[in-house]
Amino acid sequence: GAVVSQHPSRVICKSGTSVKIECRSLDFQATTMFWYRQFPKQSLMLMATSNEGSKATYEQGVEKDKFLINHASLTLSTLTVTSAHPEDSSFYICSARRGEVANYGYTFGSGTRLTVV
Amino acid sequence: AQKITQTQPGMFVQEKEAVTLDCTYDTSDPSYGLFWYKQPSSGEMIFLIYQGSYDQQNATEGRYSLNFQKARKSANLVISASQLGDSAMYFCAMREGWGNTPLVFGKGTRLSVIA
Repeated sequence: GAVVSQHPSRVICKSGTSVKIECRSLDFQATTMFWYRQFPKQSLMLMATSNEGSKATYEQGVEKDKFLINHASLTLSTLTVTSAHPEDSSFYICSARRGEVANYGYTFGSGTRLTVV
Repeated sequence: AQKITQTQPGMFVQEKEAVTLDCTYDTSDPSYGLFWYKQPSSGEMIFLIYQGSYDQQNATEGRYSLNFQKARKSANLVISASQLGDSAMYFCAMREGWGNTPLVFGKGTRLSVIA
């Protein structure tokens, strides 16, 4: 149980175009999803917290107009990288928590490797 | 200040031996949770083990155990009987407080298991 499906797994796009990444919780309702970015050989850095039905909360230094997050339902959150540039090339991964009980783990999507050319 | 510190960028271990990956944390919240994840080259994040701040005993999950020393604010991961498939990046992470708060990750340790 507690599966998060993330698509696409890999995407190559041209500079200046937009890319949408989807994360779906398949067997549970995710009121909150977290979006992370990971540059090569680095750690996961939190970009934003996505709450169903409300605006996302972005971490300091993350451009909200560039990284659009939509969490329109309890099972789907999307991250759209707008006007992508080569420096946006990275590994993007979402995470959701099944419940608020202390020892429930955080389930991660399989990640999206974005390459902007 | 970093909330999660992993001081070992890389570690080598002989197959079938045990290895300890270090993690120290910093928080003033009395309620927190500590997690270890494995990330193979495919990029997926694989949950290994969890330790809550109020847990009296060290967590264990199969070959994984967590050496939790609360006063020292350390939560080291011990992998026993290492296997070649254990070669991966390992991340220590922390959740502060209750509720739907995000995980904060350390920089990770790359473990290489040698035959």
